[in-house]
Amino acid sequence: QKEVEQDPGPLSVPEGAIVSLNCTYSNSAFQYFMWYRQYSRKGPELLMYTYSSGNKEDGRFTAQVDKSSKYISLFIRDSQPSDSATYLCAKGAGNKLTFGGGTRVLVKP
Amino acid sequence: GAGVSQSPSNKVTEKGKDVELRCDPISGHTALYWYRQSLGQGLEFLIYFQGNSAPDKSGLPSDRFSAERTGGSVSTLTIQRTQQEDSAVYLCASSLAGQYYEQYFGPGTRLTVT
Repeated sequence: QKEVEQDPGPLSVPEGAIVSLNCTYSNSAFQYFMWYRQYSRKGPELLMYTYSSGNKEDGRFTAQVDKSSKYISLFIRDSQPSDSATYLCAKGAGNKLTFGGGTRVLVKP
Repeated sequence: GAGVSQSPSNKVTEKGKDVELRCDPISGHTALYWYRQSLGQGLEFLIYFQGNSAPDKSGLPSDRFSAERTGGSVSTLTIQRTQQEDSAVYLCASSLAGQYYEQYFGPGTRLTVT
């Protein structure tokens, strides 16, 4: 079992819909949780990081962490075709990040 | 300001040859990380440098892989006697000291071993 699990998708939504992405993790010894966006043939781009359980909002993006369930989520409101990318969740402790496999998202105009 | 840069962007090499991949971190970032991204394995940690401390090499897959960081800035990842399974995208990231949760990635080097 991988330490961080993500559904690979693709997840296809119409423009303007809410995109809901999830990850589960198996090891409690992690402090921070991150979401990255990666366009094809580009490096990952940090969207958000969060430390505690609860919600963190940044513009159209909301990250949610539930440490008791070992579950992390990312919601994208008012999705745009430019949001079409692969989204990677990651958890970190001790200077290392462990990534999920990524979920490919397609936002159709 | 300038982001993390990597060179070359693409590298094709023959099996058995050595390759060097370069990473130039964001100015002022003392922490530098190397990752490998492949279809089957996703994004995997390779090695971490912080200032003048001994690097954390725990993610290097074999002794054919090595990395150095000169002058606390530019880093080079070297793969000796390349194998086909080394084909992947090699990504470099940097962060401020201790802020491993805020890593900024370069565009990567796509390595193809034929």
